[in-house]
Amino acid sequence: QVQLVESGGALVKAGGSLRLSCAASGFTFTDYYMSWIRQAPGKGLEYLSYISPTSSDTIYADSVRGRFTISRDNAKNSLYLQMNGLRADDTAVYYCAKTARIIELRGQGTLVTVSS
Amino acid sequence: DVVMTQSPLSLPVTLGQPVSISCRSSQGLVYSTGDTFLNWLQHRPGQSPRRLIYEVSKRDSGVPDRFSGSGSGTDFTLKISRVEAEDVGIYYCMQATHWPFTFGGGTKVEI
Repeated sequence: QVQLVESGGALVKAGGSLRLSCAASGFTFTDYYMSWIRQAPGKGLEYLSYISPTSSDTIYADSVRGRFTISRDNAKNSLYLQMNGLRADDTAVYYCAKTARIIELRGQGTLVTVSS
Repeated sequence: DVVMTQSPLSLPVTLGQPVSISCRSSQGLVYSTGDTFLNWLQHRPGQSPRRLIYEVSKRDSGVPDRFSGSGSGTDFTLKISRVEAEDVGIYYCMQATHWPFTFGGGTKVEI
């Protein structure tokens, strides 16, 4: 059974940095693209980024390009999102998902709060 | 960017009655492979979003068969044949054919 456990969310000041992690289990991690999606309070869902199995292919939404970096460690079955230059509008629950296009959300998400 | 427009925004329902949610995309969603990457997600209160339907009409394992997806081109529909209390929540369509992948604004289903 697919399990995705996000962690690393915290309260941080504007301009600060955070690194989110996602521990994956229940499937062959190295076979799949992985992605990050977020949901700001009271708002809809926003797709942020995806990464290929070998990390050779990454892509970012305009809202985070140049500030966020997606990465993965296949030996640890883990996905990461390094977030720099955080802004108040980055406040959201962040979810990792299995695959890029046919996203499978299985985790509870991790809350990032950016104070201005 | 592809704009996904859902209607209605809010949907009061009666238990046991059918429900239909519409999703329209500003561009066609057929990918170069011939696949159509249109997903439907359910977000129940207090829970995380989960995928219900992928590639227009493929239902996820564990999803009750009262849920069905259909459509083509730019018009897509999620149907619930007989609404149950556990179906309350917000439903989102999402396209993953054109980057950036985008979501509809959501349809709130409430009893």
